[in-house]
Amino acid sequence: DAGITQSPRHKVTETGTPVTLRCHQTENHRYMYWYRQDPGHGLRLIHYSYGVKDTDKGEVSDGYSVSRSKTEDFLLTLESATSSQTSVYFCATGIGKATEAFFGQGTRLTVV
Amino acid sequence: GENVEQHPSTLSVQEGDSAVIKCTYSDSASNYFPWYKQELGKGPQLIIDIRSNVGEKKDQRIAVTLNKTAKHFSLHITETQPEDSAVYFCAAPLNQAGTALIFGKGTTLSVSS
Repeated sequence: DAGITQSPRHKVTETGTPVTLRCHQTENHRYMYWYRQDPGHGLRLIHYSYGVKDTDKGEVSDGYSVSRSKTEDFLLTLESATSSQTSVYFCATGIGKATEAFFGQGTRLTVV
Repeated sequence: GENVEQHPSTLSVQEGDSAVIKCTYSDSASNYFPWYKQELGKGPQLIIDIRSNVGEKKDQRIAVTLNKTAKHFSLHITETQPEDSAVYFCAAPLNQAGTALIFGKGTTLSVSS
């Protein structure tokens, strides 16, 4: 898994509560990504980072924010969780532009 | 931005048969096309990729072909085995800067013995 650790691996939370997912990498990769995976939708890009404190929106960024204060950590925050954010969230890293993305094991989030 | 469409969504084959999955993309400037395999409970892993300066790439039983004119690329798996059963995703760069990948919706391949 290219030294990528996602935490927690499973979480159940209530609607309206804030949630933060953490991605930690040991590969010193410049790029980091958050995707969500849902049946019928495949993998959809939420946000990505191209360096410390440099982030940008992806395909489905509404309701999510991210932060990257260190090369190795990329945090995804759901400010006020909704049931539509129930999903499996994958963190990924990349060495450079238009290159392989290395995925973590995923976090299963359930919003009840 | 780029848009990637993948077909079919499910594919069932007999062991030993070939399997083909096709993706189309919208941005003619896209230059990198990877394929990922996802096994149950795991994150996707790269199995093969191709850049726009070549038309075909092979790695043992898998191959990828690229048709830039038609803006589509395909994954070919020959002599399928039960362990090939998984979800396969194609991808392309989100933008011309290539700062992220966007993915197709996936194909669930089932290989029966």
